[in-house]
Amino acid sequence: GDSVTQMEGPVTLSEEAFLTINCTYTATGYPSLFWYVQYPGEGLQLLLKATKADDKGSNKGFEATYRKETTSFHLEKGSVQVSDSAVYFCALNFGNEKLTFGTGTRLTIIP
Amino acid sequence: SAVISQKPSRDICQRGTSLTIQCQVDSQVTMMFWYRQQPGQSLTLIATANQGSEATYESGFVIDKFPISRPNLTFSTLTVSNMSPEDSSIYLCSVATSGRSYNEQFFGPGTRLTVL
Repeated sequence: GDSVTQMEGPVTLSEEAFLTINCTYTATGYPSLFWYVQYPGEGLQLLLKATKADDKGSNKGFEATYRKETTSFHLEKGSVQVSDSAVYFCALNFGNEKLTFGTGTRLTIIP
Repeated sequence: SAVISQKPSRDICQRGTSLTIQCQVDSQVTMMFWYRQQPGQSLTLIATANQGSEATYESGFVIDKFPISRPNLTFSTLTVSNMSPEDSSIYLCSVATSGRSYNEQFFGPGTRLTVL
């Protein structure tokens, strides 16, 4: 079946550091890909998405590019802030069907 | 995006009892889903709530344990029956709409359940 493999956490970085959280997927066909973020004590929010190969999703300084060749959707940010501390989930789906999530990566940014 | 509310936001329940969680959306939506997030874990789909018919359950989840209703396009309930401590989780509903953003899902704030 479909699956998402995500970089193990936790990840701790200093403020203004460069962030990469790796995500690869296994699926039959070409799914839509998503990054969701869960801030402490809050629900899940959609951070960005890409629906076809070579699409780049971006939001709040975060970016991820849909790479069909490597079946990857790595999340990047050039300069992280303390407020970016959260749990990040990579996910995929087909159409408006269920989401398949990765295990989540807890990110902590220290001042 | 849709605005989604869930009730209750949290509850502490005794073993053997049942809890019904409500999910209300401010607009009509095509799809509604129920997910479970066990402590420190990722999200797992319990079932897809179908309007006017029985829910579609994922492997490992059964209707007797997690009965679901969806009487219309803006409301759904999930019941956690005969609870045990292993049911302690966050339960989230999500919705997807037709149209341009048809493949995006938006999540409610979740219901944090603790079973003693």
